[in-house]
Amino acid sequence: QVQLQESGPGLVKSSETLSLTCTVSGGSVSSQTYYWSWIRQPPGKGLEWIGYISNSGSTNYNPSLKSRVTISIDTSKTQFSLKLTSVTAADTAMFYCARILSGRLVWYFDLWGRGTLVTVSS
Amino acid sequence: QTVVTQEPSFSVSPGGTVTLTCGLSSGSVSTDYYPSWYQQTPGQAPRTLIHSTNTRSSGVPDRFSGSILGNKAALTITGAQAEDESDYYCVLYMGSGVSVFGGGTKVTVL
Repeated sequence: QVQLQESGPGLVKSSETLSLTCTVSGGSVSSQTYYWSWIRQPPGKGLEWIGYISNSGSTNYNPSLKSRVTISIDTSKTQFSLKLTSVTAADTAMFYCARILSGRLVWYFDLWGRGTLVTVSS
Repeated sequence: QTVVTQEPSFSVSPGGTVTLTCGLSSGSVSTDYYPSWYQQTPGQAPRTLIHSTNTRSSGVPDRFSGSILGNKAALTITGAQAEDESDYYCVLYMGSGVSVFGGGTKVTVL
């Protein structure tokens, strides 16, 4: 059974770079059927799609975050990562990694990690 | 920028039926947006309920159903149970790999 697990620092200082990793266990990140995505949720608020990466390394980002976001993938480690630069208190959130199932007439988040809370401190 | 709209909250009696909707700030939702629905209880990760408008994910009870109603996507809970008290989010696929979440609907069962 494929599982996703987020990891990384729970506390980041303002203006610095937030870095998280999602480890995929029980499966591969090499399939062309899936895209590997990050989603965040500020405390008490809704979900926001950050971006995704394919097995070949092509990326797509939320336009509102594009200038600060980089998602990368390491197929040998079955991991993908998120970097968010120049963080502020507004970036404090629960961060989820999720798998997108893509196919003919299909596009949705079919598998989620449990999430990791990142707090930006001043 | 396109905004995906959802009702902020709904209340339903145990055993009752509630329909949540997912619309666009401009335009109509169709199956081309591959509407999907996610349930989130406090402190938990989202759980996928419905994808591709009306396909239930594995293990999802059949009291959850998806559809297009008028110009919106809809999630209907028929025979609501106490454990259905959650936040519900829709996602619309905007094309070119872009997904947009709705603001979420808080459902209370009482």
